[in-house]
Amino acid sequence: EPEVTQTPSHQVTQMGQEVILRCVPISNHLYFYWYRQILGQKVEFLVSFYNNEISEKSEIFDDQFSVERPDGSNFTLKIRSTKLEDSAMYFCASSALGTGVTEAFFGQGTRLTVV
Amino acid sequence: TQLLEQSPQFLSIQEGENLTVYCNSSSVFSSLQWYRQEPGEGPVLLVTVVTGGEVKKLKRLTFQFGDARKDSSLHITAAQPGDTGLYLCAGAYSSASKIIFGSGTRLSIRP
Repeated sequence: EPEVTQTPSHQVTQMGQEVILRCVPISNHLYFYWYRQILGQKVEFLVSFYNNEISEKSEIFDDQFSVERPDGSNFTLKIRSTKLEDSAMYFCASSALGTGVTEAFFGQGTRLTVV
Repeated sequence: TQLLEQSPQFLSIQEGENLTVYCNSSSVFSSLQWYRQEPGEGPVLLVTVVTGGEVKKLKRLTFQFGDARKDSSLHITAAQPGDTGLYLCAGAYSSASKIIFGSGTRLSIRP
């Protein structure tokens, strides 16, 4: 069964460092998302991406964040200068457009710890 | 603010009992999804409902979308310990929009 894969599963970084979280969406999907979940809290929308550009972003997705689809398979989230409060689970998701219904399938997540 | 409120937040019941969890909003959604999330893992899609009044069944789980497409419910019949987990509802405003999540119902089924 097709699935969204994320790497790494865990990332520990020092405050102020840059991190790149990687995702391989389901192959025929065209719409991609990043979400985050701080421990014990709800899943929060960060950004959606379609046709090589950002479709929508939340207030959380400030200038420290960027997304990229560097090739035909990967979708990345970069945090330029990490802060302690960026510590969270980050989930990538993808959706097949054209069905008329948004159904997002999520990866297993990357646990980011900023120390 | 776009909000999806789930109730109850926590529910602990005995194996074999029935239960219903609710997902409510003041907004109309084009579709609503139910996910289940295990600790340390990503949300897993259970079902999507699209039409007002729609009912979908997944074994012992019954999902209903409200007539006005603002709310939904998940009913579990004869709950089993394997049903234990965090159940999340999530709504989309259009076919190409973000999905917003509720805060979840943490379900515990005691043997």
